Amino acid sequence: GQQLNQSPQSMFIQEGEDVSMNCTSSSIFNTWLWYKQDPGEGPVLLIALYKAGELTSNGRLTAQFGITRKDSFLNISASIPSDVGIYFCAGRVNTGANSKLTFGKGITLSVRP
Amino acid sequence: KAGVTQTPRYLIKTRGQQVTLSCSPISGHRSVSWYQQTPGQGLQFLFEYFSETQRNKGNFPGRFSGRQFSNSRSEMNVSTLELGDSALYLCASSPTSGSLSQYFGPGTRLTVT
Repeated sequence: GQQLNQSPQSMFIQEGEDVSMNCTSSSIFNTWLWYKQDPGEGPVLLIALYKAGELTSNGRLTAQFGITRKDSFLNISASIPSDVGIYFCAGRVNTGANSKLTFGKGITLSVRP
Repeated sequence: KAGVTQTPRYLIKTRGQQVTLSCSPISGHRSVSWYQQTPGQGLQFLFEYFSETQRNKGNFPGRFSGRQFSNSRSEMNVSTLELGDSALYLCASSPTSGSLSQYFGPGTRLTVT
């Protein structure tokens, strides 16, 4: 089946540093999404990407939809302590009703003050 | 507008028992999706309900079932619980089936002993 690969499982950075996370797949996806999950809460959508090559920003977050449609990256600039959490990528093949999301296993980000 | 609510938040069950989890979507949302989250497998899609009909199903055994009521509230049932069913069960609501505007609840933490 379709799988999304995120590695490493954990990342540790210093406050103020930039960090980049990759998500790769052997399958093509037509939509890529990035979510963040805080402890004790459900994931929250950060950025959605709809077209190969698309580069989208949301504040200090920037994400890109890979040209091959098999990968995406998320970049966080000037990290702050509240960036701590689990970051998931998700992909979708079809659009519209009856489509479903495939999630990566997530990367746990720790930010040292 | 109230967010997605899930009850109970925590549950401890014994192997062989069954369990029912509840999800109340955001008012006006008609689609509810269920996910299982474990450290080893990440977020895995269970099923989606829209207008009281199951629209999509993941690769889980028949012990996992769900339903949706006319007020869009949804329940998920797991019968003959196994230790491996211990997980965080998340539901997500969206206005329509296939919408990317999915809002997750805080989840129900199920522990099977």
